[in-house]
Amino acid sequence: SQKIEQNSEALNIQEGKTATLTCNYTNYSPAYLQWYRQDPGRGPVFLLLIRENEKEKRKERLKVTFDTTLKQSLFHITASQPADSATYLCAPYSGGGADGLTFGKGTHLIIQP
Amino acid sequence: DTGVSQDPRHKITKRGQNVTFRCDPISEHNRLYWYRQTLGQGPEFLTYFQNEAQLEKSRLLSDRFSAERPKGSFSTLEIQRTEQGDSAMYLCASSLAHQPQHFGDGTRLSIL
Repeated sequence: SQKIEQNSEALNIQEGKTATLTCNYTNYSPAYLQWYRQDPGRGPVFLLLIRENEKEKRKERLKVTFDTTLKQSLFHITASQPADSATYLCAPYSGGGADGLTFGKGTHLIIQP
Repeated sequence: DTGVSQDPRHKITKRGQNVTFRCDPISEHNRLYWYRQTLGQGPEFLTYFQNEAQLEKSRLLSDRFSAERPKGSFSTLEIQRTEQGDSAMYLCASSLAHQPQHFGDGTRLSIL
C-alpha cells in the first residue's frame, strides 16, 4: 500500500540555521509533490509544488528537492526564524484524475531563538 | 480573495446527534474537497466535487456521512448518528483544476 513517511519526532533548530525536513514515500509514482505549512488550530497553507521532472524548486528562503530514484523530497528553510515554527506536511500526488491529496503525518518544526 | 470560509469553527454535540458543517470556497474555484484530521495526523481525504458533481469518495466516508454542493457554490457535510470516533477537525479546501488547494481553518467537532 502507499505510504508517506515524515520525521516523526519534533525537529528543534537554532534560529539562523537551515532546517531540513524529509518526506519519503513508497508504492507511489508521484507526478508532483506539494509541501504545506500548518499552524495549530488552522488549516494547511500551500508553500511549494515540485514536479517529477524538476530536481529543485526555490521560493525566498524555501527550497525543495525531489529525487524520484530515492523516492524522497527534502524541504529546506534557510536562515530559519522562530516564526517558521509550525508543522510541515508533504503530499505526493500520483494524478490519474483522482484529485484528493494524501498527506504525511507532518513534521513539527521548532525554531529556538 | 476572501479565502475559504468554514462554519461553525467549533461544534460540540452528544453521541447519536446529527451535525452539519458548511464550507464557502473561493468564489472562482470549481473544485471543492473535504478532509478529516485527527491529532498528530495529516489531513485524510473524504470527498471531492467538481462544480456540483461529487466525483470521488474515500472509503472513510461511511454511509453516515453525506456531502452536497448545490449549484456548485457552497458545500455542506452532514454526519448522522455521530459516534465518538467522529471527533476530529473537518477541513474544506478549494482549487482550480490542477492547482494547489486552499484550505479553510476547519470545523472542530467534539462528541460527548
